Amino acid sequence: SAVISQKPSRDICQRGTSLTIQCQVDSQVTMMFWYRQQPGQSLTLIATANQGSEATYESGFVIDKFPISRPNLTFSTLTVSNMSPEDSSIYLCSVRTAPYEQYFGPGTRLTVT
Amino acid sequence: QKEVEQNSGPLSVPEGAIASLNCTYSDRGSQSFFWYRQYSGKSPELIMSIYSNGDKEDGRFTAQLNKASQYVSLLIRDSQPSDSATYLCAVSKANSGYALNFGKGTSLLVTP
Repeated sequence: SAVISQKPSRDICQRGTSLTIQCQVDSQVTMMFWYRQQPGQSLTLIATANQGSEATYESGFVIDKFPISRPNLTFSTLTVSNMSPEDSSIYLCSVRTAPYEQYFGPGTRLTVT
Repeated sequence: QKEVEQNSGPLSVPEGAIASLNCTYSDRGSQSFFWYRQYSGKSPELIMSIYSNGDKEDGRFTAQLNKASQYVSLLIRDSQPSDSATYLCAVSKANSGYALNFGKGTSLLVTP
């Protein structure tokens, strides 16, 4: 497994602003993922972030709204841009370890007012 | 058709009983299957992974996979009140290799 931390753990933001969420892993991993879990719902994949390449976004998610950085093998950021109340959610990063297992960080609870 | 389907529950079982959780998936190309446990207000915790047909046991947990029927299940033996949580079934996306599709989860309540 891997030890994953996220910052901030929670935040309350105003409509129209942006928030950058950080994800830090205690070991080098090739593949990192960003998910969203809306209230009462399951997890939805936003994008896959591999070091050294552009993030791959799922249908319904665009880079302008959710820009992602992956500067090295232990760190990634997700920015939620121009926020609206519909962006209120828990944002989770995960990492893939051998062979195919994924482990999740503690999540960032975002409320947009 | 949803890609990963689970009965939302709640599934209520008495302490010491076997809890049986089921999941079906639509993508025949999926190769990896996982069960996560999520307590309220917490992130998902991986409890089982299974990659080939048959049973896989780990302590009180047994995962079962039937690719022909596109069916995955999780059995929890000797259920404890601490097992009360939402159990998420996750299936790998066939065309992306490692990204996961999640079911909506089954809420399990183990009563003393």
